[in-house]
Amino acid sequence: EDKVVQSPLSLVVHEGDTVTLNCSYEVTNFRSLLWYKQEKKAPTFLFMLTSSGIEKKSGRLSSILDKKELFSILNITATQTGDSAVYLCAGNTPLVFGKGTRLSVIA
Amino acid sequence: NAGVTQTPKFQVLKTGQSMTLQCAQDMNHEYMSWYRQDPGMGLRLIHYSVGAGITDQGEVPNGYNVSRSTTEDFPLRLLSAAPSQTSVYFCASSYLEGQPQHFGDGTRLSIL
Repeated sequence: EDKVVQSPLSLVVHEGDTVTLNCSYEVTNFRSLLWYKQEKKAPTFLFMLTSSGIEKKSGRLSSILDKKELFSILNITATQTGDSAVYLCAGNTPLVFGKGTRLSVIA
Repeated sequence: NAGVTQTPKFQVLKTGQSMTLQCAQDMNHEYMSWYRQDPGMGLRLIHYSVGAGITDQGEVPNGYNVSRSTTEDFPLRLLSAAPSQTSVYFCASSYLEGQPQHFGDGTRLSIL
């Protein structure tokens, strides 16, 4: 059975801190690893990772995949209150989601 | 450009009633899918479709039916609603299977 496990399940940090969110996966027909951010409604796409060791960056967010260890991390530097959300990791295909990490950034 | 549109946004049903959750996308995406999201459970795949006329089961298909007669629409049918189906339902689409999906805003469904 395909499985994606995220840790920690919740995290509270202060503005300006750097956080690392973890995602391990066991997906039979693995093609890619995706990260989404979910605030109040629909998840919004952050990154898709297909190759090991290649970091993807978008502003203060970055992510990397380790296909040997079946692991990915999402880093957020200089956190802001607007980063507060649930971050979802999913293995593809079809998409299998982890339970998410709820990040709360306090001023 | 509307993206993925789900209707209704909220619905309350009685046990045993049937209903259809609507999902439409205007991006000419081949791949569409339905998820349910329960507290502490993440998103779980119910059914998916790789193109018109083709559907397949996901992780939690029991109690739900789907059809894909057009590229744009992918309705989800609850045949006989049960309290265990109380959840938030998301429809999503992508150009092809394996590509990042665009999500609708969800339908919050309560079954009494």
